[in-house]
Amino acid sequence: TQLLEQSPQFLSIQEGENLTVYCNSSSVFSSLQWYRQEPGEGPVLLVTVVTGGEVKKLKRLTFQFGDARKDSSLHITAAQPGDTGLYLCAGPYYGGSQGNLIFGKGTKLSVKP
Amino acid sequence: KAGVTQTPRYLIKTRGQQVTLSCSPISGHRSVSWYQQTPGQGLQFLFEYFSETQRNKGNFPGRFSGRQFSNSRSEMNVSTLELGDSALYLCASSLEARTPQFFGPGTRLTVL
Repeated sequence: TQLLEQSPQFLSIQEGENLTVYCNSSSVFSSLQWYRQEPGEGPVLLVTVVTGGEVKKLKRLTFQFGDARKDSSLHITAAQPGDTGLYLCAGPYYGGSQGNLIFGKGTKLSVKP
Repeated sequence: KAGVTQTPRYLIKTRGQQVTLSCSPISGHRSVSWYQQTPGQGLQFLFEYFSETQRNKGNFPGRFSGRQFSNSRSEMNVSTLELGDSALYLCASSLEARTPQFFGPGTRLTVL
């Protein structure tokens, strides 16, 4: 069961463009995390959102948690090649066999100079 | 604080061999989780240890095992390696269950 669906799976854009990636679920989450992973490295935590409707900004990255706490989005303004990577969302999970956090499959972003 | 460290970073083994990977969590973090990451499957949960006890286990065969020491350092072992075990193995630590996890750089295992 894939509790967190991320879209799109792949995104290739030119430097300077804006983009939005999505993390959706039919379940309510008490919080969601966003990670960025570069090839051959471990994911790096970018942000945690905990309140429905919350908006957090990290330089050119804007994260939003849906009002119903079932979805989240990540918007990047004026993308740069350094934004290239795999963006993962994750949320607390209580089912056991998936661990304590359930991860989406990610959006692979490529920003071309 | 120092981040999560994993050793070795790269490993090449042949089928049938066994391997041990090591993870040192962030100081003060008692929960350590292990994941297998492959291009097609994404992050697959292996197991989680907390205070030297395995609390959760994913759907992997018994060839995959782990342990945690009193200083919270953790090891995972894979016996009788198969070609399909080639992957990036990630360790993540957190303060408590279901709190944000902090990942190490991973160990890239290649099975020939």
